[in-house]
Amino acid sequence: SQQGEEDPQALSIQEGENATMNCSYKTSINNLQWYRQNSGRGLVHLILIRSNEREKHSGRLRVTLDTSKKSSSLLITASRAADTASYFCATVDNTDKLIFGTGTRLQVFP
Amino acid sequence: EPEVTQTPSHQVTQMGQEVILRCVPISNHLYFYWYRQILGQKVEFLVSFYNNEISEKSEIFDDQFSVERPDGSNFTLKIRSTKLEDSAMYFCASSETGGFTEAFFGQGTRLTVV
Repeated sequence: SQQGEEDPQALSIQEGENATMNCSYKTSINNLQWYRQNSGRGLVHLILIRSNEREKHSGRLRVTLDTSKKSSSLLITASRAADTASYFCATVDNTDKLIFGTGTRLQVFP
Repeated sequence: EPEVTQTPSHQVTQMGQEVILRCVPISNHLYFYWYRQILGQKVEFLVSFYNNEISEKSEIFDDQFSVERPDGSNFTLKIRSTKLEDSAMYFCASSETGGFTEAFFGQGTRLTVV
């Protein structure tokens, strides 16, 4: 089944730095979404990018999508300690479900 | 802001017992999902539900699992005879128009099978 693989698995940065996470997937998609999960908590939707879009912004978040390479990246600019969480990409193909990637654990040190 | 609520937040059960995990989706949403996350691992799709029937289910969702929308608000996941490997966080999600818009997830139920 389709699966997103994320890279890196873990990332540690200082406050103020930018954090970039990458996601690769295997098959054609309708859209790709990014979610955030604080430790032991639920999943919070961050941003959705459709297959015909190449870039999208939301606040300090920037998402790119390259369907030819079947990859996406999430950039968090000017990171804060409160951004510490796991970040997951999830893809939607022509079936009615989200398939999640393996996630990146981001640690932002004050 | 509307939210998906799940109860209980934590459930401990003995192996072989039946458990029912409850979810109240967002009121105008029509698509419902269950996912699970074994500790430290990725979030796995279990089942999607629309128009009072299962749309799709994964290999994990075997005969031990069932879902139901018993009334207009609740959406339940039942595990008939729990196994140790069923220990995980179970997340309910709902979506207004299926996978083409963002899904709203509940805070999860941590199921511990002992």
